[in-house]
Amino acid sequence: DADVTQTPRNRITKTGKRIMLECSQTKGHDRMYWYRQDPGLGLRLIYYSFDVKDINKGEISDGYSVSRQAQAKFSLSLESAIPNQTALYFCATSDKTVSYEQYFGPGTRLTVT
Amino acid sequence: QQQVKQSPQSLIVQKGGISIINCAYENTAFDYFPWYQQFPGKGPALLIAIRPDVSEKKEGRFTISFNKSAKQFSLHIMDSQPGDSATYFCAASMSGTASKLTFGTGTRLQVTL
Repeated sequence: DADVTQTPRNRITKTGKRIMLECSQTKGHDRMYWYRQDPGLGLRLIYYSFDVKDINKGEISDGYSVSRQAQAKFSLSLESAIPNQTALYFCATSDKTVSYEQYFGPGTRLTVT
Repeated sequence: QQQVKQSPQSLIVQKGGISIINCAYENTAFDYFPWYQQFPGKGPALLIAIRPDVSEKKEGRFTISFNKSAKQFSLHIMDSQPGDSATYFCAASMSGTASKLTFGTGTRLQVTL
């Protein structure tokens, strides 16, 4: 089984809808991250969490919210989806002692029409 | 503000050739420089990383060269193979409580027969 799983893998939704992307990990890591990937822009950090009670905004947090339900679960919500949130979303985890080594999930391809 | 600049955006190399991807950074507080490799449909995965007190690190056919004074680092793939065809991201991180990754924009490498 994969160490970092994301659900759903693909999602098409309409403008204005609320959507949640979920991430689970079995690596036992404290740190979890949400990124979005856009062609030509690389990976940009949306939110990150160093433990269940420590959640921080990344460089592009506007329009997004997160919830760390447990050490192993970190979800990303789009309260009111808009077309420019169409992107590939990745969850990642890392050990606190080796934060530069991040383990990524397989990604969720989100399309907002 | 893009803190890590990566070039080229795409690269085509013949089998057996050398692939070179370059990155430049601005923030001198960065103290770890990893490279990630991403195959289509997959999340990025750590390939190799270097600290600024080392000018070169080699792992198999992959070498990172680091120039601290120029604030530049590069990935060299020797004897490039079709299986190396992927997107490569350079990144930078700072140790300490704010240890998160800042990614470059990515390079799509295609190795032809």
